[in-house]
Amino acid sequence: DTGVSQNPRHKITKRGQNVTFRCDPISEHNRLYWYRQTLGQGPEFLTYFQNEAQLEKSRLLSDRFSAERPKGSFSTLEIQRTEQGDSAMYLCASSPWDRVTDTQYFGPGTRLTVL
Amino acid sequence: GIQVEQSPPDLILQEGANSTLRCNFSDSVNNLQWFHQNPWGQLINLFYIPSGTKQNGRLSATTVATERYSLLYISSSQTTDSGVYFCAVETSGSRLTFGEGTQLTVNP
Repeated sequence: DTGVSQNPRHKITKRGQNVTFRCDPISEHNRLYWYRQTLGQGPEFLTYFQNEAQLEKSRLLSDRFSAERPKGSFSTLEIQRTEQGDSAMYLCASSPWDRVTDTQYFGPGTRLTVL
Repeated sequence: GIQVEQSPPDLILQEGANSTLRCNFSDSVNNLQWFHQNPWGQLINLFYIPSGTKQNGRLSATTVATERYSLLYISSSQTTDSGVYFCAVETSGSRLTFGEGTQLTVNP
């Protein structure tokens, strides 16, 4: 069990460019979540998957954002036509979906800076 | 949606002191977790505690679900305890709603 991993750890891009982040959950965790955290705030929910199905999307997830989990393992989060307001830490978490103890475990995050 | 309030927002301690962090929430919850966010941004699980009391070393937590609050106790604080402590709750589905955190600074 190596924990949740995210790549890249840091991304600097120019406004208008597209970026893609990857998340590898803890193996055998069937739920995967994306959150966004801006400076001085707590993380905010973006979306989550159960296996390959995307079950819920936040209103924060505008049309420029898309997330996939094609084989129910790793997930990608793509932001198209980035804006300066997209600058944030993007956090991924996974959980085993065990109703007894459904603990979410977080990765180290990808810090995005849009210039 | 559910509201999560944490207090105090900032806390400065001398090494060795004890502290209590509070989390109030506005509705019934299925899940409550406490996290420590280190200076590099990593969220570290401390407790999964929708109700009851748990202890792990110098840390312990109590959630009184009927009164909609949770407390995190840190005893004999160390400089490595510095960082932001978050409470997060889940009401239905699976999304966690986070409070704004308590920034803890432990001075040597």
